[in-house]
Order: sequence, then C-alpha cells, then structure tokens
Amino acid sequence: AQSVTQLGSHVSVSEGALVLLRCNYSSSVPPYLFWYVQYPNQGLQLLLKYTSAATLVKGINGFEAEFKKSETSFHLTKPSAHMSDAAEYFCAVSDRGSSNTGKLIFGQGTTLQVKP
Amino acid sequence: ETGVTQTPRHLVMGMTNKKSLKCEQHLGHNAMYWYKQSAKKPLELMFVYSLEERVENNSVPSRFSPECPNSSHLFLHLHTLQPEDSALYLCASSQGASLSTGELFFGEGSRLTVL
Repeated sequence: AQSVTQLGSHVSVSEGALVLLRCNYSSSVPPYLFWYVQYPNQGLQLLLKYTSAATLVKGINGFEAEFKKSETSFHLTKPSAHMSDAAEYFCAVSDRGSSNTGKLIFGQGTTLQVKP
Repeated sequence: ETGVTQTPRHLVMGMTNKKSLKCEQHLGHNAMYWYKQSAKKPLELMFVYSLEERVENNSVPSRFSPECPNSSHLFLHLHTLQPEDSALYLCASSQGASLSTGELFFGEGSRLTVL
C-alpha cells in the first residue's frame, strides 16, 4: 500500500530564505506524487505533480520538487520565501491499486510560517 | 461560478439533526470525491463517485450518506452525527477517476461543528 510521511509538522523561515518541506513516500508501484497548498479557510490547490516524466518538477508560485527514487523522496523547495507563502502544505501519493479510482493518500501536512 | 463550489461553508448542528452538504463542480469532470479533514490528522477519503456510480466507500459510518444525482452535483447527507464528526469536509472533482489524466480540484470546504 502507498503511504506518505511529511517530516516536520511546522516549519518556520524568514522572508527571503530557502523553503524546504520534506516528503518521503512508500509505494509498491512507480508513484504519482503531488504537492498541494491550503491557505487559511480555503480548499487545497495543486502546486505541482510528478507523473514519471522529468524528475525535477516546477510548479506555481516559484515552487519546485525533485523526485528521488533512491531516497523515496519528493521534497518541496522554493529559493526565496515570501510572506504570502505562509500556508499548510500537503504531499500526496496516488493509490494506484486495482480499483484505480484516483484516490490520493495525503501526508499529515506541514504548516509553513514566514517571518518578516 | 467556476471550479468547485461547496455549500454551506459553515454548519452547526445538534446530534439529532439531519442536514446535507452540497457540492457542485463547473469543470465538466466526471469523478467526484468527499474528503474529511480533521485537525492534526491526514485527509481521509470518504467516498468516490465515477460517472455517478459510487466506486469507493472507505468504511465510513452509515450516519454519512452520499448522493450523486449527476456528474456535476454531489451531496453528503448527515444524520445523528457525533461530536467527533466535527471537521472540514472537502469536495473534489477530477477528469476521469484515473489519476493519469490529471489532478484533483478541491472546493473550499464545509466546516461542520456537531454539538
């Protein structure tokens, strides 16, 4: 069965600093991986996705993530944090089981705080 | 209206009430989902509908009853809930139930409080 672990439930960075949010996955089949962002009082919005094409994936708002099969990781990065990046971030892996219902397995989320 | 719309945004109900959450998608998708988001817990998939047929039911208690009358609308009927059911309920849609065709599009959620 597929699973996702996000290391660190809370990350705090200064404005302009590097953002690194960690995600490790477990999957018995080649995974599809996703990062979603949730701003306060809103639903989830897709940041980026990996679907077995290029291992370095670029998303919206300057975020990118690199798929590393040897490390079973899909960490999210942004070179320079902005105050507007403060939100909760979710890593997810597709559950590509026999039912193929498009089910996503989500991590527990990481809250990103950006300090001025 | 664009995207995925959920109503009501906030709902407070007693344990003996009957209420419903509504979701409408304007994206022409043919799969719809209900997720439950509780504090400090991962998002939990509750139900999946593909082409208006339920294809997934993740051991959800019978006090939650979904309904999908057409590919654009999804309901979650609530009956005799418990306080631990208080959570944010998120609706999502996708083009095809297979993730190879794309992402999930989420609504803003319905915040449910059970007293």
